[in-house]
Formats: sequence, structure tokens, C-alpha cells
Amino acid sequence: GQNIDQPTEMTATEGAIVQINCTYQTSGFNGLFWYQQHAGEAPTFLSYNVLDGLEEKGRFSSFLSRSKGYSYLLLKELQMKDSASYLCAVRWILTGGGNKLTFGTGTQLKVEL
Amino acid sequence: EAGVTQSPTHLIKTRGQQVTLRCSPISGHTSVYWYQQALGLGLQFLLWYDEGEERNRGNFPPRFSGRQFPNYSSELNVNALELEDSALYLCASSFRGVPTDTQYFGPGTRLTVL
Repeated sequence: GQNIDQPTEMTATEGAIVQINCTYQTSGFNGLFWYQQHAGEAPTFLSYNVLDGLEEKGRFSSFLSRSKGYSYLLLKELQMKDSASYLCAVRWILTGGGNKLTFGTGTQLKVEL
Repeated sequence: EAGVTQSPTHLIKTRGQQVTLRCSPISGHTSVYWYQQALGLGLQFLLWYDEGEERNRGNFPPRFSGRQFPNYSSELNVNALELEDSALYLCASSFRGVPTDTQYFGPGTRLTVL
């Protein structure tokens, strides 16, 4: 299978830091993406990891450990507008060639005052 | 640079009808992907087209079909609509010539089946 697990909901305070975890099955792994999706809108690309380590982009950072099948998205200096669903998506290599992107069900983040 | 565009924005149909959704990828992108996102559920992969060919298909019945045109735009057709087909249908495009092959999404078409 190609299961992706991430928490359903998280709540954090404005100005704080929050870490959203994602675990996946490692067989055939070929890259991990994080997307942000506000209610009723399309997902927006945030980050891409294919090698181990931390990728930093302003207030957002994403970490990957391929051996552990684990990633996290770190959001710093939280703002109210960061309230959204955060989707972890893993790309797998298909046995017949090509690849496939599978999305987790998303983590609904609520930022409170 | 224009992003992925989709039409129509909203659509209301009744059971048994047929619907066609349209998608135009980002200029230079050759791959188009279709996803279904039912209310409260995750994105479910429907179809992938690249260079005019269907490359992969998700676990959906044959009444979900599509095609990609020479200009890389795409259509998704759904026949014999059922109530559970009500969802946001998202199209994404990518350029497979780069390692990241990141998918960029359009605004979606909200389909309601009554």
C-alpha cells in the first residue's frame, strides 16, 4: 500500500511555532511535497523534499528522513491566515515506469489569538 | 504567467446526466492530472495525461474518462452521474522535464449532483 498518515487537526496560538508530522511507507519513495489548502480553494505548493534534511522557505520549513519514512512541516511566527489544511503528498515510483503522487487526508490547522 | 485554469467554476447536475470539465495547464506544462475531493475527504487521484496519452488511472469506474488535446489542455468526462460524484474536481499540471515535477493546481470545479 501507499499509506500516508498525518494528524487530522491541530490548534496553535498566533505567533507560536507548530510542527505537522507526516509518515509514509518508504518502498518506492521518490519525493515528498507539502501543500496548503484554504477552505474551498485549490491546494497551493509549499515545499518539496527528496533528500534527507531541512528545507527552509521563510516562515515555513520542511524536514525529511527517508529511512524513517517521516517528514514534518514547521510553521513559525504563526499568523491567523495560516489557518488551513496542510496536505502531505508522496511521490512513488511505479513498477511499470512513471510515478504516482498520493495525498494524505490533510491536517486542519486552526490558529487562535 | 497564467496559472492552471478550469471551467466551469460551479456546476449543478441531476443523477444520470453527463458532465464535461475543462482544464488548461500552465504554459509549457505537458502533464495534466485530475483529482476528486469530496467534502471532508482527501484528494483522490483520478487520471494522469502526458503528451496526449493517458499514463495512469486511479480506482474510479470507467464512467470517469478524459482526454488531452494537442495543446495539452484536458477534459474530464463523467457519465451517468451519481449523488456521490458531488465533489470539488481539481486539475493540476506539471513539467516533467525537471526533477521536482511539482504539480500546480487550478481553482477547481465544484460539481453538485442532485
